[in-house]
Parts: sequence; structure tokens; C-alpha cells
Amino acid sequence: VVMTQSPLSLPVTLGQPASISCRSSQSLVHGDGNSYLNWYQQRPGQSPRRLIYKVSNRDSGVPDRFSGSGSGTDFTLKISRVEAEDVGVYYCMQGTHGPFTFGQGTKLEIK
Amino acid sequence: EVQLVESGGGLVQPGGSLRLSCAASGFSFRSYWMSWVRQAPGKGLEWVANIKEDGSEKYHVESVKGRFTISRDNAKNSLYLEMNSLRAEDTAVYYCAREDRGFEYWGQGTLVTVSS
Repeated sequence: VVMTQSPLSLPVTLGQPASISCRSSQSLVHGDGNSYLNWYQQRPGQSPRRLIYKVSNRDSGVPDRFSGSGSGTDFTLKISRVEAEDVGVYYCMQGTHGPFTFGQGTKLEIK
Repeated sequence: EVQLVESGGGLVQPGGSLRLSCAASGFSFRSYWMSWVRQAPGKGLEWVANIKEDGSEKYHVESVKGRFTISRDNAKNSLYLEMNSLRAEDTAVYYCAREDRGFEYWGQGTLVTVSS
């Protein structure tokens, strides 16, 4: 399954919203009814950190300014108000079909 | 607290071998699928392999099939990646991760450099 993110570069003004799109080459609905679409943040020099699982569920400790939505093959990560600590690369990843696959990454920077 | 600590990376010549280890703590290791994920310098993330809770099922990405083997020792709370016939394109930071059809917990990674 090919995961395609857009944009690949995202300059954002502090306090403004940001949105990243992720499209899969086939439906991510699993036989158990769940869609295993995950979002990760990777800050410079750090290991990835998961933000969202199963499309819209925030992991523990993730600020509520991060939200995920979508279904089928189209998914979106939204940041309601970008803060300085949000700088990094964001990846979507599907865990429905083997092998698991990641998007190319979206680099978020502050304008 | 969940902790995953990788080790075993280093510089190896093309065609050489290396064995990576991941020590897990803070959770019931034997109850989770585990994965290896890698990241080439300046590049994105690539899932490499995973293994079922009891080791009875293993899957590897096509590019490493026949060269890499994932394994685990539940008595030692440890995950391994045996890497043979290494190529320059295998150069990457290798992360172990606890799997739930996603990766909630990651290690800090270990760097593997394949170069002559």
C-alpha cells in the first residue's frame, strides 16, 4: 500500500492552523472494522513519537490541538494552533495491510 | 515506564554481518508483537520486520528477505535482528518498536553504517 502525503513542506506562522493530507492506494479498513492509520511526529534528532492511532485517537500526553480525521483512503492531521515545539517531520503510516508502510513525511517549519 | 534500548550497531563492510539487540522493560514483552523500523540518513521511515508474541510468525520487507532475520527471546525480554550480506543501502538508524498495528513506543535507535 502506497501512502502519499501532501504537502511535503509546510511553513506555518505561530498560532495559525496547519493541515497535512495522507492518501492510501487502497482502503485501510481492516477486516475487524478498524482503520489502522497512524500519525507520527519526529522532532530533529529524536525518535518518532506517535500522535494519533486508528485515524482519530490521540495517544497519551498528546496535546488536544492535534486531531486526526478521515476514512477509507483519505486522511488528515490537523494542528489547531501551531507552537514552536511542533517543528519537525510528520509521517502517516498504515498498519492495516502487510507490509506496514509510511508516507514520505511532511516537514513543518515556522515562517 | 516502557523502555526499549537498542544496541549492536556500528560500522561494517559491504557483505558483512551484524546482530542488533533490543532490551525491553516496563511492560509484558511476551504479550506484544514487536517490530524493527529503519531510517536512512536524511530519509523517511521504513518498516523492516515484525514478529508475533510467541515468535511463531515473522514477516520481513521484501528488500531484506533472505538477508535479515528477526527473532526474540521472551525469557530475556529481548528482540533481535540478524543482518547478513549487508549493503550500502542498509545504512540507517534501526529502531525497535512495540507494535499495535502502529508503534506507540520506540527505542532511541542504533546506527548501522555499511561502508568500506
